Amino acid sequence: EPEVTQTPSHQVTQMGQEVILRCVPISNHLYFYWYRQILGQKVEFLVSFYNNEISEKSEIFDDQFSVERPDGSNFTLKIRSTKLEDSAMYFCASSESDNEQFFGPGTRLTVL
Amino acid sequence: LAKTTQPISMDSYEGQEVNITCSHNNIATNDYITWYQQFPSQGPRFIIQGYKTKVTNEVASLFIPADRKSSTLSLPRVSLSDTAVYYCLVGDGDDKIIFGKGTRLHILP
Repeated sequence: EPEVTQTPSHQVTQMGQEVILRCVPISNHLYFYWYRQILGQKVEFLVSFYNNEISEKSEIFDDQFSVERPDGSNFTLKIRSTKLEDSAMYFCASSESDNEQFFGPGTRLTVL
Repeated sequence: LAKTTQPISMDSYEGQEVNITCSHNNIATNDYITWYQQFPSQGPRFIIQGYKTKVTNEVASLFIPADRKSSTLSLPRVSLSDTAVYYCLVGDGDDKIIFGKGTRLHILP
């Protein structure tokens, strides 16, 4: 069964550093998403991406964040100048239409 | 997006049927009801979706009364591996998912 994959599974970084979280969505999917979940809290929507552009973003997704689909398979989330409060699980998701979303296993980001 | 209300937590025993009810009094005509499951340290996983009456798949059943102001997710004969958080979502298929706190289901041996 096709699945969304994410790398790395765990990323540790120093405050102020840039990180890039990588995702490989399911191959025939057209809609891509990033969510985050701070430990013990709700899953929060960050951004959706369709047709090579952002379709919607939340208040969390400020200028510190950017997304890119550099080739036909990868979908990345870049966080510039990380802050302590960016520590969370980051989930990538993809969908074939605006319906069921398939989530990846997540990247645990720890900012020290 | 219609607001949903579901129990914060539930306990049950292996082999039992578990029913989790979600209230969505302000559901709109175009809205569907969707349930996701999240195991610890994993991403959410789609379980089932319905509009009205009853929907059944290999994992669960979803019961929706005629007024659609609530819905019940039914998990038959649960096992320890069904311990997870279950999210009830209501929406018209807008691309983003807004998750609530969900119901933390704990299955006991």
